[in-house]
Amino acid sequence: NAGVMQNPRHLVRRRGQEARLRCSPMKGHSHVYWYRQLPEEGLKFMVYLQKENIIDESGMPKERFSAEFPKEGPSILRIQQVVRGDSAAYFCASSPSVGHSYEQYFGPGTRLTVT
Amino acid sequence: GENVEQHPSTLSVQEGDSAVIKCTYSDSASNYFPWYKQELGKRPQLIIDIRSNVGEKKDQRIAVTLNKTAKHFSLHITETQPEDSAVYFCAASKPGGSYIPTFGRGTSLIVHP
Repeated sequence: NAGVMQNPRHLVRRRGQEARLRCSPMKGHSHVYWYRQLPEEGLKFMVYLQKENIIDESGMPKERFSAEFPKEGPSILRIQQVVRGDSAAYFCASSPSVGHSYEQYFGPGTRLTVT
Repeated sequence: GENVEQHPSTLSVQEGDSAVIKCTYSDSASNYFPWYKQELGKRPQLIIDIRSNVGEKKDQRIAVTLNKTAKHFSLHITETQPEDSAVYFCAASKPGGSYIPTFGRGTSLIVHP
């Protein structure tokens, strides 16, 4: 059973470009969470999705950021018009069922650098 | 919302010593407390967790204790080894809604050989 997959692992974008980060949850997992981690800081929750639904986006900036988890394919975190402050590691995590298990399994992360 | 404080931010010990990392939480409804280990450049990995119906849980050299009354929980690592060097994060989550964990800021543990 493959773990949570994220790609790309490293992404470099110039200011103003768009960044697309992909996350494939573990097989059988239908819940996806996105987190942002700045250097020497903890994990900050951004958004929680189930297939075709955004459940909680309270941690995601209202502008420039969006997320989706389509019926088919990976979850995507999209950052438009990136700025230097968007440089961070973005982790996704998946869980099998909110009511059954709290445990989240993390992907390897995407390290975004905005130049 | 929930607020999780974690101390210390850095912990340096000699190989073989014990290490203790402490976290406090604010929401008395929180009932699940995982601990994650993150090595440099790697993903966070769950190492141990505890639910509010128990006060202590142990797995080989690591243990977690929970004091619900005081709203604090701690990670204990005995007989530390250099490979224990990493950043450790505590988190707290509660049932209902999204079960989204709130993470502490992390403790950088350095084990000197």
